[in-house]
Amino acid sequence: EDQVTQSPEALRLQEGESSSLNCSYTVSGLRGLFWYRQDPGKGPEFLFTLYSAGEEKEKERLKATLTKKESFLHITAPKPEDSATYLCAVQASGGSYIPTFGRGTSLIVHP
Amino acid sequence: KAGVTQTPRYLIKTRGQQVTLSCSPISGHRSVSWYQQTPGQGLQFLFEYFSETQRNKGNFPGRFSGRQFSNSRSEMNVSTLELGDSALYLCASSRDSTSTDTQYFGPGTRLTVL
Repeated sequence: EDQVTQSPEALRLQEGESSSLNCSYTVSGLRGLFWYRQDPGKGPEFLFTLYSAGEEKEKERLKATLTKKESFLHITAPKPEDSATYLCAVQASGGSYIPTFGRGTSLIVHP
Repeated sequence: KAGVTQTPRYLIKTRGQQVTLSCSPISGHRSVSWYQQTPGQGLQFLFEYFSETQRNKGNFPGRFSGRQFSNSRSEMNVSTLELGDSALYLCASSRDSTSTDTQYFGPGTRLTVL
């Protein structure tokens, strides 16, 4: 069974204090790993898709990296508007291709 | 390009009633998936439709059902509502789920069962 574990569950940062969120996964074969951002009461907003170990993608203050067992979402010099829940999901190479989601990391950035 | 839209955005129902939620996918997207999101369980997959056929189904009781129309719009129905059905129901669309294809989510429908 595919599993996705995100840590920490919650993270509080001061504005400008860089940090990383972790997504550990277990799948029979990885087809893709997705990162989403979700604001309270809204649907998840797509951020990145990573396909193979060693791949990196960046968007503004966010950078996602991928290894064979985990992915990191690095947040550089965060701002209060980066406060949200960040979700990770994996899509396995076999089976239904329906992504399995982690429980998310709730990030709060204080000014 | 318009995103995924869901209606209604908010619903309040009482136990025993039924409810129908609607989802319009991004133009050109043929796969529509439904998820239930609660604080305790996170995002849980309900079902996925492609070309008017249910292609995948999660572990939810038969009270939860759905359908897809020829224009790819989708509806989900929950009959005999229970208090535990209170949740944010999310619809996601992709071009085709049988590939590494990104799912794009709608804003969700917040269902409250009293």
